[in-house]
Amino acid sequence: GDSVTQMEGPVTLSEEAFLTINCTYTATGYPSLFWYVQYPGEGLQLLLKATKADDKGSNKGFEATYRKETTSFHLEKGSVQVSDSAVYFCAANSGGSNYKLTFGKGTLLTVNP
Amino acid sequence: EAQVTQNPRYLITVTGKKLTVTCSQNMNHEYMSWYRQDPGLGLRQIYYSMNVEVTDKGDVPEGYKVSRKEKRNFPLILESPSPNQTSLYFCASRGMEYEQYFGPGTRLTVT
Repeated sequence: GDSVTQMEGPVTLSEEAFLTINCTYTATGYPSLFWYVQYPGEGLQLLLKATKADDKGSNKGFEATYRKETTSFHLEKGSVQVSDSAVYFCAANSGGSNYKLTFGKGTLLTVNP
Repeated sequence: EAQVTQNPRYLITVTGKKLTVTCSQNMNHEYMSWYRQDPGLGLRQIYYSMNVEVTDKGDVPEGYKVSRKEKRNFPLILESPSPNQTSLYFCASRGMEYEQYFGPGTRLTVT
């Protein structure tokens, strides 16, 4: 079955630092890929997505590029803010009869002022 | 506003007392699902529904039931809750490009 592996946290950065959270996947075919963010006490929000190879998803200064050759979808942001502190989840969806999202285990990001 | 709503947001109950967590979406989505989130395990799918009256098991269905009598509603039923069902539960519905929209979560504690 599908699986998603993302870097273990927690990650602690200073404001304006560069962020990378690694994510790799194994899946049949060519899945759609997603990054979700979960702020404290809230549900998951879709941050960005990419549906085919070489697509770049972007939102709120975050970016991730669908790399088929390395089966990766790393999340990056050039300058993080305190308000970016949250848990980030990478997810894959291979479609088929069940549109189940397969999630990574999440990476806790803390940004200090 | 497009959204998925869940109720209740917090629930403390005792072992064996039947409960229902409601879920509703206003986006006319056909596909809906339930996940549970546990520390160190991430999110795991409990049940899903492809459309009205069509439901199937996800990865961790034991101890849960669902129904889909209307397109917008997808309640999760725990007929005899046990402490190992203490968790954070999320309902989700699927959009056109496989993205899923999540409700705010229901934190359930079973004592």
